[in-house]
Amino acid sequence: EAQVTQNPRYLITVTGKKLTVTCSQNMNHEYMSWYRQDPGLGLRQIYYSMNVEVTDKGDVPEGYKVSRKEKRNFPLILESPSPNQTSLYFCASSLRGSGTGELFFGEGSRLTVL
Amino acid sequence: AQTVTQSQPEMSVQEAETVTLSCTYDTSESDYYLFWYKQPPSRQMILVIRQEAYKQQNATENRFSVNFQKAAKSFSLKISDSQLGDAAMYFCAYAPALTQGGSEKLVFGKGMKLTVNP
Repeated sequence: EAQVTQNPRYLITVTGKKLTVTCSQNMNHEYMSWYRQDPGLGLRQIYYSMNVEVTDKGDVPEGYKVSRKEKRNFPLILESPSPNQTSLYFCASSLRGSGTGELFFGEGSRLTVL
Repeated sequence: AQTVTQSQPEMSVQEAETVTLSCTYDTSESDYYLFWYKQPPSRQMILVIRQEAYKQQNATENRFSVNFQKAAKSFSLKISDSQLGDAAMYFCAYAPALTQGGSEKLVFGKGMKLTVNP
């Protein structure tokens, strides 16, 4: 089954404790992206990747890191989480060159930073 | 920069009736894509319908249809015969066409909560 898988789905952590949210897709998509969703703000892009070893900042990259060492994986790293990073996070992927703009989303990861 | 505006944060509709969700966007590009995504309580983002800007014909998917007014930069979603399962957050989104150097980066509106009353 074609899917984007995120882990963990739920996480409660404390300020400053490094964490990684993993994202994996099995559709051989070149393009992958991370969004955060906050009430009243919709979804905002954090980072995206056009292909392996190619990443770039989105609209709200502060406090986050990403890497793309393999095509299927695109982890989101919070080196020193802060309470303002409490949010719902989505990983998404797309077949670049499809020209459709359609994204396939993971199921979301609810992160709480105390 | 492109922006997407959903001016109504909440709406409600009676089961079996029709409801229209509004969306406006701002872009200087001539070729792009517009989307409506649905997010039920499960949080999953589900693509409802997609419209290519170069197509004049409005997209339709079963009970869902759009009214795309390119000159007015308006992209509304009509849900006919509303069902309880339609209750969700709905997001309007814009993506530049790949030919214009755009990625698959979607720009989302802030969302609108739809309640369906039995």
